[in-house]
Amino acid sequence: EAQVTQNPRYLITVTGKKLTVTCSQNMNHEYMSWYRQDPGLGLRQIYYSMNVEVTDKGDVPEGYKVSRKEKRNFPLILESPSPNQTSLYFCASSSTGGSYEQYFGPGTRLTVT
Amino acid sequence: GIQVEQSPPDLILQEGANSTLRCNFSDSVNNLQWFHQNPWGQLINLFYIPSGTKQNGRLSATTVATERYSLLYISSSQTTDSGVYFCAVEAFGNEKLTFGTGTRLTIIP
Repeated sequence: EAQVTQNPRYLITVTGKKLTVTCSQNMNHEYMSWYRQDPGLGLRQIYYSMNVEVTDKGDVPEGYKVSRKEKRNFPLILESPSPNQTSLYFCASSSTGGSYEQYFGPGTRLTVT
Repeated sequence: GIQVEQSPPDLILQEGANSTLRCNFSDSVNNLQWFHQNPWGQLINLFYIPSGTKQNGRLSATTVATERYSLLYISSSQTTDSGVYFCAVEAFGNEKLTFGTGTRLTIIP
């Protein structure tokens, strides 16, 4: 089954404790992206990657890191989480040729206390 | 950047009613998608429709790219249709989806 998976689905952590949210897709997509969703602000892009070893900032990259060492994986790293990073996070992927349809993971609900 | 406006912001209907949700966008797009966000927060792909018309069961969508709008039709609404419906677009040469603010649909039994 074609899908985007994220782990963990729920996470409660404390300020300053490094964490990684994993994202994996099995559709051989070149493009992958991270979004965060906040009440009143909608979904905003954090980082995106056009292919392996190619990453770029989205609209709200501060406080986040990403890497793309393999085509299927695109982890989101919070080196020193803060309470303002409490949010619902989505990973997405798409092909870069033909259809541009983006497929979204199930979301990760992160709470930083 | 591209602007995306959805209307109405809220819609409350009785079960069995039909509804039309609208999405206006400010520039040419190579991607337009409709999503349903369920009460658990999951984004469910409904349609990939940068132009034309598609139908899937009780749902259908039409995008008129030259006039920069898209419509989502829901017929014979069911309580499970409740949630927030998002329109998202990707402008040419822009590697991200820009989401509208959504329409919150509540279906009353």
